[in-house]
This record gives sequence, structure tokens and C-alpha cells, in this order.
Amino acid sequence: AQSVTQLDSHVSVSEGTPVLLRCNYSSSYSPSLFWYVQHPNKGLQLLLKYTSAATLVKGINGFEAEFKKSETSFHLTKPSAHMSDAAEYFCVVRPPGGGGFKTIFGAGTRLFVKA
Amino acid sequence: DAGVIQSPRHEVTEMGQEVTLRCKPISGHNSLFWYRQTMMRGLELLIYFNNNVPIDDSGMPEDRFSAKMPNASFSTLKIQPSEPRDSAVYFCASSLEIGTTEAFFGQGTRLTVV
Repeated sequence: AQSVTQLDSHVSVSEGTPVLLRCNYSSSYSPSLFWYVQHPNKGLQLLLKYTSAATLVKGINGFEAEFKKSETSFHLTKPSAHMSDAAEYFCVVRPPGGGGFKTIFGAGTRLFVKA
Repeated sequence: DAGVIQSPRHEVTEMGQEVTLRCKPISGHNSLFWYRQTMMRGLELLIYFNNNVPIDDSGMPEDRFSAKMPNASFSTLKIQPSEPRDSAVYFCASSLEIGTTEAFFGQGTRLTVV
């Protein structure tokens, strides 16, 4: 069975400070892990993905995430927040062979960026 | 590629009316997903197709909901009759469904049933 838990429903940071959005997963096999971002009134956009290659994954807009198997975590980070980063972020776990209903979305973390 | 295209972007309809949402997946993708997003429930997978065949529709909330994929480049999600509680944003997504490929999402259709 798979599950994904986003540990914070809301995160608030000041512009220019680091961002940390936490995600823990459980899976009985080696999953693929993704982070998506959703800006208001927009669809979901892929930020980055982990597919059993390098454990530190770099994505778009300066975001990166590190896969830590021992901690079953895939936290999303960015060194310096920008106002345009304010959005909702979803952590997603998917089995290696694909599969629609085996794709699990986290509940989402809403990021607020203060000027 | 233009990405996943959904239409309409917004739909307002009266309770009891039929609503049809449309989706054009990315060319070459062989899996298509319909999701519903609400504040209360977050993102819910309603149904997904692989090679135009519905694989699992257990996420479809009621018999009022139906989805079709007559060919590789078009899918519809129909609600008949619509109810106010169906108000949500409906997303279509497509993927290559090979190994570890990600899903690409459309912009969504915001449905309001009054």
C-alpha cells in the first residue's frame, strides 16, 4: 500500500528566506515521487520528479528535493522565496510501473510569501 | 505541443441540467485521467483510461457521472443530471504511462451548479 503525507497544510515565509515543504511517504516498493505546484485558478504544473536516479533532484524555478529512503521523506526546498512562489504544492507518489489509481496525491501545502 | 486542452474553462449551469466537459490529451500519450478538486476533498481521481479503454472508474461518485474516450485525442466527462454538490474544478491529465513518466495537467474546468 502507498500513502503520502504533507506535514504542513500552510507554510508562511518572508521573501528572500528559505522554503521547506515537508513530505513523507510510505510504499511497499520503490516509488516515483513528484512535486507539483498549482497557482490560483491554474492547473497543476510539474516542479520535479524522483525516479530512482540521483537522490537530490533539481526542478524548475530554483526548487529542489532530496529523496531520503531511511526517513521516507521527499521534502521540497528553495534557498530564497520569491513572491511568485505563493501557490499550493502537492507531493505525489506513484508506483514504478505507472498506474492511475495507484497514484496518490498529498493533501497539499499552501505556501504564503510575505513581502 | 499545446499541452492538455480542456473546455470550457468555466461552466455555470442550473441544477438538473446535463454538463459535458471536454479534454484533448497531449498527442502520443496513452493514458488519460479525470480528477475533481474541491476544498473539502482535495484532488480526487475519478477515472482513468489506458489506450482509450477505461481501466478503473471506481472513483466516479455516482451513476450521474460518465466518461468516454472515443479516440486517442478526445475524452468527455458528463454529469447528468447535475447537482450543486458537483460544483468543483475538474482536471484532465495525460501521461505516457510508461515507467516513471509524470502526468501533465490541463487548466481545468470550473463548474458551478446553481
